[in-house]
Amino acid sequence: DAGVTQSPTHLIKTRGQQVTLRCSPKSGHDTVSWYQQALGQGPQFIFQYYEEEERQRGNFPDRFSGHQYPNYSSELNVNALLLGDSALYLCASSLGPLELAGELFFGEGSRLTVL
Amino acid sequence: KQEVTQIPAALSVPEGENLVLNCSFTDSAIYNLQWFRQDPGKGLTSLLLIQSSQREQTSGRLNASLDKSSGRSTLYIAASQPGDSATYLCAGLNTGGFKTIFGAGTRLFVKA
Repeated sequence: DAGVTQSPTHLIKTRGQQVTLRCSPKSGHDTVSWYQQALGQGPQFIFQYYEEEERQRGNFPDRFSGHQYPNYSSELNVNALLLGDSALYLCASSLGPLELAGELFFGEGSRLTVL
Repeated sequence: KQEVTQIPAALSVPEGENLVLNCSFTDSAIYNLQWFRQDPGKGLTSLLLIQSSQREQTSGRLNASLDKSSGRSTLYIAASQPGDSATYLCAGLNTGGFKTIFGAGTRLFVKA
């Protein structure tokens, strides 16, 4: 049973560039949530995708956008990168939208460094 | 606004000790509370999920409790082992906005 997979595992970008991170949910899961984790802090909720729509969003600017495909995989896009965007980006999957309070399963994350 | 606090921030114990990690939240209107383990530079591994209607969950040497009235959850680890060394995070799912709010974590080091 495949767990949550994320790609790439590491990447380096420069300020002003754009980045796309990818996530495949755990088999049988249809909801994907994205989180940003700065060093030494807990993950911060970015947004949730369910039925190919953004259902909930945290306090992140519009530079952060996403997409969910019919096969439930998801992308996180960040435009106009800032140094402060350097972080571990985590994807979590669950069965059903967050309000069903299902268990979250996380991937290993994508480590983004912005120079 | 929901805030989640974890105490202590760091903990070092000798192997074999029983220990308790604390998680407190400001808004008792939560759907569930989940405990995770995170190894350095890695993703989160789910340990236990407690639904709003439940009081506790157990898995092996781990036991987690939830007291919504006091806004607290505890993770009890029995007979700690060096392999338990990691950061432990708690996260509450808010009823208002359905956002999962994480604490900053407790860094645990178990000495052999």
